[in-house]
Amino acid sequence: SQKIEQNSEALNIQEGKTATLTCNYTNYSPAYLQWYRQDPGRGPVFLLLIRENEKEKRKERLKVTFDTTLKQSLFHITASQPADSATYLCALDMGHNQGGKLIFGQGTELSVKP
Amino acid sequence: DAGVIQSPRHEVTEMGQEVTLRCKPISGHDYLFWYRQTMMRGLELLIYFNNNVPIDDSGMPEDRFSAKMPNASFSTLKIQPSEPRDSAVYFCASSEGAAWNQPQHFGDGTRLSIL
Repeated sequence: SQKIEQNSEALNIQEGKTATLTCNYTNYSPAYLQWYRQDPGRGPVFLLLIRENEKEKRKERLKVTFDTTLKQSLFHITASQPADSATYLCALDMGHNQGGKLIFGQGTELSVKP
Repeated sequence: DAGVIQSPRHEVTEMGQEVTLRCKPISGHDYLFWYRQTMMRGLELLIYFNNNVPIDDSGMPEDRFSAKMPNASFSTLKIQPSEPRDSAVYFCASSEGAAWNQPQHFGDGTRLSIL
């Protein structure tokens, strides 16, 4: 079955540094990969979507890479700020024959210290 | 713009009672999803609708769970009878167009506690 693994441990970094979060998957080749942010007591909020034929995508301080050979996506936050502290979820599409469902990873909790 | 609206935000009830969760998707979105989130299992898809029609309910845990979408602006998720293991946060999300290449917009969830 499809499996998604994100950094199992919480990530603690100093303000101003770059945070790098990892999303690995097995047994599947998604055409799309999405990243979401979730704050305590709130629903996930969409951040970025990257297609299989895109190697990299940027939005302000955020950058996502998608390596279909390694079956891995990396999510970077540059010049991190305490306000970036949250849980970050990656999600993969399950393809047209699955109706376009998304499967979510367990998430990585990021804490940015001032 | 109003986002996805869920009610109630919190629900505490006793085992065996019927629970109804409600969702109003974003206007114009033709996909609606119900998810459940727990510490152990993360965010799991229960069921989703396209144009008010249930497309895939393979994630619904058992017959005690049912979902309806009587019109484009309203959906319900019902648990009857409820059990303590149903305690979780239930999210509704909606999206515009094909689900896999469109962002999903989530409500803030219903935190359900079954005693």
